[in-house]
Amino acid sequence: GQQVMQIPQYQHVQEGEDFTTYCNSSTTLSNIQWYKQRPGGHPVFLIQLVKSGEVKKQKRLTFQFGEAKKNSSLHITATQTTDVGTYFCAGRTRANAGKSTFGDGTTLTVKP
Amino acid sequence: DTGVSQDPRHKITKRGQNVTFRCDPISEHNRLYWYRQTLGQGPEFLTYFQNEAQLEKSRLLSDRFSAERPKGSFSTLEIQRTEQGDSAMYLCASSFGRGDEKLFFGSGTQLSVL
Repeated sequence: GQQVMQIPQYQHVQEGEDFTTYCNSSTTLSNIQWYKQRPGGHPVFLIQLVKSGEVKKQKRLTFQFGEAKKNSSLHITATQTTDVGTYFCAGRTRANAGKSTFGDGTTLTVKP
Repeated sequence: DTGVSQDPRHKITKRGQNVTFRCDPISEHNRLYWYRQTLGQGPEFLTYFQNEAQLEKSRLLSDRFSAERPKGSFSTLEIQRTEQGDSAMYLCASSFGRGDEKLFFGSGTQLSVL
């Protein structure tokens, strides 16, 4: 079945440093979504990417979807303590359009 | 509050007992999903509904799990003869559908099986 893998599992940064998490799917995706889960909270939608090679920005966050639509990345510039949490990617395929398969996330901690 | 709501927030039960959880999605959303999450893992897909129709169920799900969405509004997830391995956070999410698949999650039900 479809697998979605994320690296790294954990990332510790000093406030102000950049952060990147990578997501790889075993199958071609129709779209990919990114979610953030704060400690003790539930996943909150950040963004959806649909097109091959798509790049979207939200303030300090930059999301990319690979040309082959099998990988994606999230980059945060100049991290802040409010960025702390676990970032998940979730992919959908055309064959299973109703099902999002989540990676196991990258947990970001930021040292002030 | 017009978000996704789940009840109860916490459930402690003894092995072998049955439990039922409820999810109320955002009212205009026609898709409803159940996920399970354990510590250090991402949400694991269990099943989803389009209105009242259950369109997909994970093959990982044993026959002890059943979900319903009788009138296309709220949903229930029942686990029969609970086992310790069922201990997890059970998350419900909803989406508008019709091409808009942003998932809005509830706060979850934390199940502990003793």
